Amino acid sequence: GEDVEQSLFLSVREGDSSVINCTYTDSSSTYLYWYKQEPGAGLQLLTYIFSNMDMKQDQRLTVLLNKKDKHLSLRIADTQTGDSAIYFCSGGGYQKVTFGTGTKLQVIP
Amino acid sequence: GAVVSQHPSWVICKSGTSVKIECRSLDFQATTMFWYRQFPKQSLMLMATSNEGSKATYEQGVEKDKFLINHASLTLSTLTVTSAHPEDSSFYICSARDQVNQPQHFGDGTRLSIL
Repeated sequence: GEDVEQSLFLSVREGDSSVINCTYTDSSSTYLYWYKQEPGAGLQLLTYIFSNMDMKQDQRLTVLLNKKDKHLSLRIADTQTGDSAIYFCSGGGYQKVTFGTGTKLQVIP
Repeated sequence: GAVVSQHPSWVICKSGTSVKIECRSLDFQATTMFWYRQFPKQSLMLMATSNEGSKATYEQGVEKDKFLINHASLTLSTLTVTSAHPEDSSFYICSARDQVNQPQHFGDGTRLSIL
């Protein structure tokens, strides 16, 4: 099955860019997703990228996919305190999606 | 769009009680719904996948008689934790999608505390 790995913690200053990295093992993953989870809440879909794409940009969010290295990253430009949360990357095919361990992003005012 | 409503948000019950959690897709038809369990500071663990009108497919190690899942309509799935015990205390999250090539959309989760 798919294994998805993320770093556990990232701390940045308000206004800086944040880059959250993720590696996965299943090269046949069709979709790769980024979700945001605030304390005590469910997961909010931020963005997703198809496996045949290299990059996707959506306002302050930029997703980069390196299929050769099975590496996915999420860049948040001009990070705000409201971006503090846990970010999960996930990947999979049509039937099952595997979630990473989550990266806790701390934004320092 | 793509809103999933989960109810209740938090429930506290005595040991031995059965608890039902509802998951509704409000503005789309959820042909597939997923139930996850999340322990503190951990990732999501998939418990089961349910397709509308079919029996749920449970992940290895998840007791189907303990966690009853019903997906009787395209907008509603329920998870019933039968005869709940303190070890069942956890954060339960549902998700739903309409087509196989679309992402899952998540409810806000249910915090279950069994005394």
